[in-house]
Amino acid sequence: EVQLVESGGGLVQPGGSLRLSCSASGFTFSSFAMHWVRQAPGKGLEYVSAITSNGVSTYYADSVKGRFTISRDNSKNTLYLQMSSLRAEDTAVYYCVKDRKSTLARPGFDFWGQGTLVTVSS
Amino acid sequence: QAVVTQEPSLTVSPGGTVTLTCGSSTGAVTSGHYPYWFQQKPGQAPRTLIYDTSNKHSWTPARFSGSLLGGKAALTLSGAQPEDEADYYCLLSSSGDRVFGGGTKLTVL
Repeated sequence: EVQLVESGGGLVQPGGSLRLSCSASGFTFSSFAMHWVRQAPGKGLEYVSAITSNGVSTYYADSVKGRFTISRDNSKNTLYLQMSSLRAEDTAVYYCVKDRKSTLARPGFDFWGQGTLVTVSS
Repeated sequence: QAVVTQEPSLTVSPGGTVTLTCGSSTGAVTSGHYPYWFQQKPGQAPRTLIYDTSNKHSWTPARFSGSLLGGKAALTLSGAQPEDEADYYCLLSSSGDRVFGGGTKLTVL
């Protein structure tokens, strides 16, 4: 059974940093690209970032480019999102999503984690 | 970056049929946009229903189907059940960007 468990969310002040983790199990983590998608309270979904199975290629939405860094440790079956220079508008539930493929040439979402809440506030 | 549009809300009667649509500000939606559809129930994470226009995952109920209709991506629900009441989001890909629609709140009443 595929499981994606996000952690690392919490309350952080504007301008601060936070690192989210997504622990994966039930599949060969190193074979699949992974994604982060967020959802602000009461709002819709926003695509944030993605990484290929080997970690070589990444993608960032314009709203987070230069502030967020996606990475993965295939030996630990874990996906990360390092967030810095956080703003109030980054407040959201952050979901980890598995891809059906190893590359990012085409979207390939299948399984979603349950999400972790990040609140940026003073 | 394209703006992806969906109906804000729709209502369907139990057992009825409803079609949700997903349009792009840049023009007609094609299979090259690899349309996706996601379902999100209150308090839950989204789940993927349809990928690449019309393909279903193993967990997608047979009453859901995806297509292209009138220049838009479409999600049709045939034989609505009370448990289908949820928010539905589409996603389109273009020039490497992935953009979600604003979502459709579907009420089964």
